[in-house]
Amino acid sequence: AQKVTQAQTEISVVEKEDVTLDCVYETRDTTYYLFWYKQPPSGELVFLIRRNSFDEQNEISGRYSWNFQKSTSSFNFTITASQVVDSAVYFCALSEARAAGNKLTFGGGTRVLVKP
Amino acid sequence: DSGVTQTPKHLITATGQRVTLRCSPRSGDLSVYWYQQSLDQGLQFLIQYYNGEERAKGNILERFSAQQFPDLHSELNLSSLELGDSALYFCASTLQGLAGETQYFGPGTRLLVL
Repeated sequence: AQKVTQAQTEISVVEKEDVTLDCVYETRDTTYYLFWYKQPPSGELVFLIRRNSFDEQNEISGRYSWNFQKSTSSFNFTITASQVVDSAVYFCALSEARAAGNKLTFGGGTRVLVKP
Repeated sequence: DSGVTQTPKHLITATGQRVTLRCSPRSGDLSVYWYQQSLDQGLQFLIQYYNGEERAKGNILERFSAQQFPDLHSELNLSSLELGDSALYFCASTLQGLAGETQYFGPGTRLLVL
């Protein structure tokens, strides 16, 4: 069965510090997809990134970067030079190719609080 | 703005009642998904529809039902409501409902059962 673990429930940093969010996943499928979503205080879920299991290239988008390592089943997310607007709950999610449909299994989320 | 709309934004009701949550997918998307976000269970997949047909089912209670209409909007019906059903209900949509497609979420409906 698929599972996503985000061990850090809450991280508090001061503005301009870097913060790394951990995500560890479990799946028996060889083809799968990983996602990160952001949930700001307003409550909506905002898509950040999608990665498939065959693409282990790390990705950078502005102050955001992602490190995908199949060997450790991890898909970690780093915010560089954090800003107050980064305060939110961040979710890692997994979708398996062999499962019926396209259900997402979410981790428990990590709340990031960036203090000015 | 993801393009997915959900109504109502907030709903307050009493135990034992029945409510209907509505979702309109992004233009062109044929598949809709429903998720429940609660404090104790986190974000849980409920059900997925593709072009009017059920495609996948999660841990959806028997008191809950959903459908997708010919115009592709979807409704989630919650009946015999209990206090524990209080949660944020999200709808998401994708083009074909295939594994790996990015799901774009609506703003959610916050349900409070008193």
